[in-house]
Amino acid sequence: ILNVEQSPQSLHVQEGDSTNFTCSFPSSNFYALHWYRWETAKSPEALFVMTLNGDEKKKGRISATLNTKEGYSYLYIKGSQPEDSATYLCAFINWGQLTFGSGTQLTVLP
Amino acid sequence: DGGITQSPKYLFRKEGQNVTLSCEQNLNHDAMYWYRQDPGQGLRLIYYSQIVNDFQKGDIAEGYSVSREKKESFPLTVTSAQKNPTAFYLCASSMMGNYGYTFGSGTRLTVV
Repeated sequence: ILNVEQSPQSLHVQEGDSTNFTCSFPSSNFYALHWYRWETAKSPEALFVMTLNGDEKKKGRISATLNTKEGYSYLYIKGSQPEDSATYLCAFINWGQLTFGSGTQLTVLP
Repeated sequence: DGGITQSPKYLFRKEGQNVTLSCEQNLNHDAMYWYRQDPGQGLRLIYYSQIVNDFQKGDIAEGYSVSREKKESFPLTVTSAQKNPTAFYLCASSMMGNYGYTFGSGTRLTVV
């Protein structure tokens, strides 16, 4: 069983603050890393699929970077808004299976 | 609209009974997956299928069974052999290759 770790486990920020979280994964046999956003009472939604070392992806105020050699990815949210409140999951894909971290729960306070 | 439908949303089962959770997708995705979530834990893979009539065990397959007779459908049976079946179950699907997964809205199973 692969170990995918996310930190912090939870985070409270004020509206307008920028924030970032970390996902650590095994650096060997890397294939791809996924980021998902999971809002309460909804289904997880794919944010990014990252495959190349040095990848940077952006969607609106959210961006992510990838370092496959050292086994980590960062997710950044610029100018957090209350609607960004959700659990952010990363997942490492290997041999056709996606292994998830336990997530970072973000609460943005108005 | 394309998507994944899981039913029912809530399910109660008596101890010793088998129960089947439904997952249907109309996205024409080849691969389908079942995950389980317990409080404070990440999603854990139960079973997955990349092609009709074939499926593979995930990390926690014991006490579960699946079938993939049609591309659109991947039902999960929670058998009486599953020691702690109370959990939230999520179904997902994806195209083959490096694409994000599409998730259903989940089924919360409670053993009473």
